[in-house]
Amino acid sequence: EADIYQTPRYLVIGTGKKITLECSQTMGHDKMYWYQQDPGMELHLIHYSYGVNSTEKGDLSSESTVSRIRTEHFPLTLESARPSHTSQYLCASSEYTSLWENSYNEQFFGPGTRLTVL
Amino acid sequence: AQSVTQLDSQVPVFEEAPVELRCNYSSSVSVYLFWYVQYPNQGLQLLLKYLSGSTLVKGINGFEAEFNKSQTSFHLRKPSVHISDTAEYFCAVIQNTGNQFYFGTGTSLTVIP
Repeated sequence: EADIYQTPRYLVIGTGKKITLECSQTMGHDKMYWYQQDPGMELHLIHYSYGVNSTEKGDLSSESTVSRIRTEHFPLTLESARPSHTSQYLCASSEYTSLWENSYNEQFFGPGTRLTVL
Repeated sequence: AQSVTQLDSQVPVFEEAPVELRCNYSSSVSVYLFWYVQYPNQGLQLLLKYLSGSTLVKGINGFEAEFNKSQTSFHLRKPSVHISDTAEYFCAVIQNTGNQFYFGTGTSLTVIP
């Protein structure tokens, strides 16, 4: 069954630790996204990718980094976690046609990772 | 940049009553519009989308939305809600020449038995 997965679902960690949030999709989608979601706030795009070896920063600046070595995998890394990184992180994917055409296909979302940094 | 405004952060409604969740956007160019639903501890799921054609679009679970270009609105409606409709609802927009979705702050719908 085609789906999008995120692990871990919940993570509580101390300040200064390095963490990687995993995101995988089995739909063969080229485009993938990372959003940050806080209560009562809009979803903020922090990273996206058009495909393998492509990574772009979104509107919201983030101290995190991403990589796209395989189509199905789009991990997000925080080198040194801080309490300000406490949030919910949502991964999504969508089909994509080409770099110069509109990308308005439906985004499929994972269940999210709720990160708490103490 | 785009902006999406969801005017109501919380909407309580009795079961079987109608509901409207409001969404307004700002854009000087053509846009595509979406409504997503998020159930507790789950990711967002697409309810419906407007790309072109009829301004009244129907989605899953009996929801529908009407695109009003002059009022730059895309309000979501359901004639009779169920307990299972209790969730967070997000409006989203993307310019037809853009590559980034912009989401509203969400509306928490609570259906009261």
